[in-house]
Amino acid sequence: DAKTTQPPSMDCAEGRAANLPCNHSTISGNEYVYWYRQIHSQGPQYIIHGLKNNETNEMASLIITEDRKSSTLILPHATLRDTAVYYCIVRSAGGGADGLTFGKGTHLIIQP
Amino acid sequence: EAGVVQSPRYKIIEKKQPVAFWCNPISGHNTLYWYLQNLGQGPELLIRYENEEAVDDSQLPKDRFSAERLKGVDSTLKIQPAELGDSAVYLCASSLDMRTEAFFGQGTRLTVV
Repeated sequence: DAKTTQPPSMDCAEGRAANLPCNHSTISGNEYVYWYRQIHSQGPQYIIHGLKNNETNEMASLIITEDRKSSTLILPHATLRDTAVYYCIVRSAGGGADGLTFGKGTHLIIQP
Repeated sequence: EAGVVQSPRYKIIEKKQPVAFWCNPISGHNTLYWYLQNLGQGPELLIRYENEEAVDDSQLPKDRFSAERLKGVDSTLKIQPAELGDSAVYLCASSLDMRTEAFFGQGTRLTVV
């Protein structure tokens, strides 16, 4: 069973911030939120992950709500090359960490 | 730094034939994953290795699929015999250990005719 819920698709104008939501209401205390994206005909690409604090790197920012039941991935200045399927994944970080479980993700389309 | 390398990139075979995929993970990565991705779906885990040990193969159809990771580095995934429903993209990924982020290869697109 999927641990996350994402909208199937979203549009965003080029140059604007793309905000991708993810619901993970059953997340437990030792589970991280990971984001990957998959551009057409390529393997998934790691973007960012976090536990409870907000995180930022050169690709994106991850905002996790205080109750950790949802998060938002922010691409600050979307370009056409950001068109991809974005996957939000909840993953245990403990000793029994499992493989990444992908859902169907959000297909983000950046419009020129 | 080289990423995860998979070969071949594409493979077309007739049903009932065997096929093998090869993966070279990022140097120093102890954890290796094989995923299957059907069209329009997210990747699904087939098997996960910690060094040369398969620690999670619960989703691997063992009647026709097999995998190995000799010496804890390169890995091969084999299907014998292939069926029409095996047409998919087979992805390999690696990570430093089972708690860190995984990096994926380009995948092998298999078409069974």
